Amino acid sequence: DAGVTQSPTHLIKTRGQQVTLRCSPKSGHDTVSWYQQALGQGPQFIFQYYEEEERQRGNFPDRFSGHQFPNYSSELNVNALLLGDSALYLCASSSQGGWLNEQFFGPGTRLTVL
Amino acid sequence: DAKTTQPTSMDCAEGRAANLPCNHSTISGNEYVYWYRQIHSQGPQYIIHGLKNNETNEMASLIITEDRKSSTLILPHATLRDTAVYYCIVRVDEYSGGGADGLTFGKGTHLIIQP
Repeated sequence: DAGVTQSPTHLIKTRGQQVTLRCSPKSGHDTVSWYQQALGQGPQFIFQYYEEEERQRGNFPDRFSGHQFPNYSSELNVNALLLGDSALYLCASSSQGGWLNEQFFGPGTRLTVL
Repeated sequence: DAKTTQPTSMDCAEGRAANLPCNHSTISGNEYVYWYRQIHSQGPQYIIHGLKNNETNEMASLIITEDRKSSTLILPHATLRDTAVYYCIVRVDEYSGGGADGLTFGKGTHLIIQP
């Protein structure tokens, strides 16, 4: 049973560009959450998708947007990249109504903005 | 902002019990205490959670004070593979409408197991 997978593993972009990160949830999970983790900090919640809609959002600007597909996979899009967007982006999946709603995390995508 | 306070770092000798404290003085009655850990270059991993009773699983034990204002995560026999950042999180349980809400992480405790 595959866990949460993310692609790509690493990515380098320049300021002003746009980026798309992808996440496939753990089998049987229907909810995907995205987190940003800057170096030396804990993960910060960006938003969560359930039933192809944004269910909850953290304190992030509109440059951060997402999408969830019918197969529950998800994309995170960041427009007009800033140097400060350099971080590890983590995806976590869970099941609404599942045990504890425990969130299973993927290994992350390391984004570097030059 | 995170609702918890943890020491920045701790050391523990291999084979000894590692006791990681967490203060959550503003915890509400319907909030659980969760612990996650993040090993270097990996995503966070769930360890254990509890409401008011002490809990134990195959990974760790969780001791919550009677007033629920603080808790301690115990790794009974720490190994080098337990070196990680440990996060204490409080969150509403799923039966109170919290659902699978986003987690609020602090900076956590960097636990270093010494050989």
